[in-house]
Amino acid sequence: DPKIIQKPKYLVAVTGSEKILICEQYLGHNAMYWYRQSAKKPLEFMFSYSYQKLMDNQTASSRFQPQSSKKNHLDLQITALKPDDSATYFCASSQDMGGRDEQYFGPGTRLTVL
Amino acid sequence: AQKVTQTQTSISVMEKTTVTMDCVYETQDSSYFLFWYKQTASGEIVFLIRQDSYKKENATVGHYSLNFQKPKSSIGLIITATQIEDSAVYFCAMRENNYAQGLTFGLGTRVSVFP
Repeated sequence: DPKIIQKPKYLVAVTGSEKILICEQYLGHNAMYWYRQSAKKPLEFMFSYSYQKLMDNQTASSRFQPQSSKKNHLDLQITALKPDDSATYFCASSQDMGGRDEQYFGPGTRLTVL
Repeated sequence: AQKVTQTQTSISVMEKTTVTMDCVYETQDSSYFLFWYKQTASGEIVFLIRQDSYKKENATVGHYSLNFQKPKSSIGLIITATQIEDSAVYFCAMRENNYAQGLTFGLGTRVSVFP
């Protein structure tokens, strides 16, 4: 059974719309993260959460809002979508927030904004 | 600020041989952690191996091992006895001992293993 679920796998949106990317982890981890992978750019860290609390936000835009309704859920709401937001968004989790804790990644949601 | 650089864009090797790929990093912290991940053709990102900066011994897991040269800020990945399924993009990443931060990744090295 998959340990980190991301829904949907593919998402197509129009410019200006709003979408929510879903992430659930069943590893019993206390920390969760969002990363973005765009063409020709390294995987980019966006947010970190620990026990449902925002720990770090590295996105410059308030259009990206993480939402944690349960300890094992970390959704990502993106508003006023732009074509530049097209990327694959990966959710990850780790046992805790320690620097040495390995992060495990979900399968990703590929977002295309037209 | 952290920075991770992988200069090799792609490497091709024959099956059952050894492949080595490079990674250099920049950090102001005295304590940090270095990771290698691989991304398969399906897009799955898989954790492979970790090196703690305060450990002198090179980490080894299965047929993955690291060449950690701290004075050079270098962490190379060595894959021995490569198999076709080792074909993937390999990412080097680091994390300082700041509990809130995520990983900083390099651009990756694409490895193609041929029979």
